[in-house]
This record gives sequence, C-alpha cells and structure tokens, in this order.
Amino acid sequence: QVQLQQWGAGLLKPSETLSLNCVVYGDSFSDSYWSWIRQSPGKGLEWIGEINHFGTTNYNPSLKSRVTISLDKSKSQFSLRLSSVAAADTAVYYCARMKLTGVVNPIAYFDPWGQGTLVTVSS
Amino acid sequence: DIQMTQSPSSLPASVGDIVKITCRASDNVYTDLNWYQQQPGKAPKLLIYGASTLQSGVPPRFSGSGSGTDFTLTISRLQPEDFATYYCQQSYTTPYTFGQGTSLDIK
Repeated sequence: QVQLQQWGAGLLKPSETLSLNCVVYGDSFSDSYWSWIRQSPGKGLEWIGEINHFGTTNYNPSLKSRVTISLDKSKSQFSLRLSSVAAADTAVYYCARMKLTGVVNPIAYFDPWGQGTLVTVSS
Repeated sequence: DIQMTQSPSSLPASVGDIVKITCRASDNVYTDLNWYQQQPGKAPKLLIYGASTLQSGVPPRFSGSGSGTDFTLTISRLQPEDFATYYCQQSYTTPYTFGQGTSLDIK
C-alpha cells in the first residue's frame, strides 16, 4: 500500500521561500506523476505542479515563475519550493501521487495524498 | 484553464436519502473526471475515477456518471460517515482543476 508522508516549515515571513518534502513508501516512482496541491479557503483546491521519474516537470502557469519541484529517487522523496511567498500563499499543502491506469487511454487520478501541512505566511 | 463548477455548494440531507451532486466543466474533458471526499481536517480521498469507476474499497452506494462536460455523483442510502465535502477534478489537461466543493450537511 502506497503511503505519502510530508513535512516542512509551517510559518514563514513574506518574501521567504516555502520548502516542503514528501517521502513515498511502497512505490518505485515509475508509472506515476508526483504532485503538490494546496487548499485555501479563498481559492479552494489548487494544483501546483508535478514531476515524473524522469524529472520532467509541469507547473501551474499561475505559479510557474515561483515554483520548483524536484525528485530524489535515492531517498524516495520529492520536494516543493515556492519562492517569494506572500499572505495569499497561506494554505494547507498536500503531496499526492497522480496514478496513471490503463495503456491505450490512461486514466489519471490523485491517490493517495499526504497528510497535509499548514503553511502560514505572516510578518 | 478548464473551470469546474459544482452544484449545489451546500446540500442538506438525512441518513437514508439519495443525493446527487453535479459537476460541469467549461470544456470537454471526456471521461477524465474524478470525485473525492474530504472529511474535516483530512486530505481528500478518491472515490471515483474515470467518471464512473469506483475506487477499490469505496462502498457501492457511491456511483458516478457523465461524460464531456456534465457529470453526476450519486450517493444512495446516505450513511452518517458520508456527511463531508465532495470535489470533482478534471485530469484531461494541465493545469488540473477542481470544483469548488459541495458540503453535504445533516438536515
């Protein structure tokens, strides 16, 4: 059974860099994409970006200039960095696996999710 | 971006009821549509993927239908543990997007 466990700093000041990590248990990183998603009262659930086992990334254009997602297969971890944070970046951040199932017309869905990390940006 | 709109935003219901939550996409997503359940303080949990395929371990009182731009999540014979918030999500194209959520509340 695949499990994701995440951690990182929960309180940041404006202009600092958010850094979160997610370790994967029970999966080899192949055949999936590894995503970060955030949830705030104002914007709901927002996909931040993803990385695959080749290191290929896709980012939400709304955050692309500030986001870096990286992968360390030796540690079974992937990470999120979001630079120049502001109050609007306050949210619960989740890591999640985007599972791809099927060959001809693959279906993709987020499962499982990490437990979530509340990140607050405040001066 | 493809916008996902759910209705209603809030749905009062009672144990034993049949409820339907709808999700409309601003563009054709074929059947690349997933449904999640979120309990307070917890991460979302996958219920249905590919518009109608029940995730392993999810009770069969949950079902999904639809294709293209209009989708429905149906919960038959509501149980106490079903009172939660439900989200649809399109996986057809990036950026992946979610509906704003439907809160299923005890009447």
